[in-house]
Amino acid sequence: QKEVEQNSGPLSVPEGAIASLNCTYSDRGSQSFFWYRQYSGKSPELIMSIYSNGDKEDGRFTAQLNKASQYVSLLIRDSQPSDSATYLCAVNMVAGKLIFGQGTTLQVKP
Amino acid sequence: DAGVTQSPTHLIKTRGQQVTLRCSPKSGHDTVSWYQQALGQGPQFIFQYYEEEERQRGNFPDRFSGHQFPNYSSELNVNALLLGDSALYLCASTTGQGRETQYFGPGTRLLVL
Repeated sequence: QKEVEQNSGPLSVPEGAIASLNCTYSDRGSQSFFWYRQYSGKSPELIMSIYSNGDKEDGRFTAQLNKASQYVSLLIRDSQPSDSATYLCAVNMVAGKLIFGQGTTLQVKP
Repeated sequence: DAGVTQSPTHLIKTRGQQVTLRCSPKSGHDTVSWYQQALGQGPQFIFQYYEEEERQRGNFPDRFSGHQFPNYSSELNVNALLLGDSALYLCASTTGQGRETQYFGPGTRLLVL
């Protein structure tokens, strides 16, 4: 079992729709969770961090964390073509050691 | 506020050579981590430096070594390059020995021929 798992996609949604990205992790003791966006040929850019169970909203983005189910998700509302990228889920299992999933490719079609 | 910087942006080497990559952390950050990202994969943790010492290491051979300087900048050295070392090398900086959010530099793309 991989430490952090994501569906590689591609996930295709129409412009204006909600995109839902999911991630599961294996270490029950993990404390902090991150979503990064990576455009082709570029480096990862932080979108959201979440530390507590529940939802955290920032603009069109909502991160959801369920530690009991070892599950993190990212919702993107009113998806735009500029949101088309690879979304990386990262878990801080040991302080400073981020474990990444392989990423989910999102395609937002005009 | 300067972000994380890395040099060079691109590099081409041949098998068996050695390479040094450089990273300057974001202003106010004292912890630097290095990651390797192969095409189509998520970044993989190589090691972390704090207070000029390697604090944590991922599953990478001893050919991968590093250094942190008193100004918190860092170097990644790879010896005896293999074709499989071709990847995007990412530097990330943070504070608090990595407990806080890590911010990535633009990366160095290494091609080994």
